[in-house]
Amino acid sequence: DAGVTQSPTHLIKTRGQHVTLRCSPISGHKSVSWYQQVLGQGPQFIFQYYEKEERGRGNFPDRFSARQFPNYSSELNVNALLLGDSALYLCASTKGWQEQFFGPGTRLTVL
Amino acid sequence: AQSVTQLGSHVSVSEGALVLLRCNYSSSVPPYLFWYVQYPNQGLQLLLKYTTGATLVKGINGFEAEFKKSETSFHLTKPSAHMSDAAEYFCAVSVYQGGSEKLVFGKGTKLTVNP
Repeated sequence: DAGVTQSPTHLIKTRGQHVTLRCSPISGHKSVSWYQQVLGQGPQFIFQYYEKEERGRGNFPDRFSARQFPNYSSELNVNALLLGDSALYLCASTKGWQEQFFGPGTRLTVL
Repeated sequence: AQSVTQLGSHVSVSEGALVLLRCNYSSSVPPYLFWYVQYPNQGLQLLLKYTTGATLVKGINGFEAEFKKSETSFHLTKPSAHMSDAAEYFCAVSVYQGGSEKLVFGKGTKLTVNP
């Protein structure tokens, strides 16, 4: 089975722009979570979606939003980009609790 | 609140030597604990996890970890390091809150293996 896929792989944006990142979970997984990993740090939780509903949100500003589609894929949107938003954005899918499978990530650079 | 502390941001060992990466956790409930590995420019791969039961957990690539409640520790070990083990390692605790589950990660330990 294919693992978690994310697109694009890399992205360069300028301050103030908007970005959309995409994630497709493992087949059969209904939950998707998003994490932000700033260089030199561990990943930080942004959102969790289950069955298209937001189940949890981390300590991130309202510029960050997400949604999950009927096929369980997900988008992460970030508005009004700041330099500090430069990071690796990781998507993880789960079938149940306790084990999250991560995708390769999207590297976002904000100039 | 649950949290994870990884002692040592960088660890360097010789090929064939013991690998020991330290992780201490803070949790008000019985924790679920994980070790993930991240190779350069890649996502996270699960090495092993502790949920309940046996406190010595064996994972992939010869790694294992022991859950010690009295010491609030979950240290990762491998008897003999290989060059391919060079990567960054993250310890994480699972937090279940309000219907959602998230992982809280430590800051990571970068492992260098010298020939």
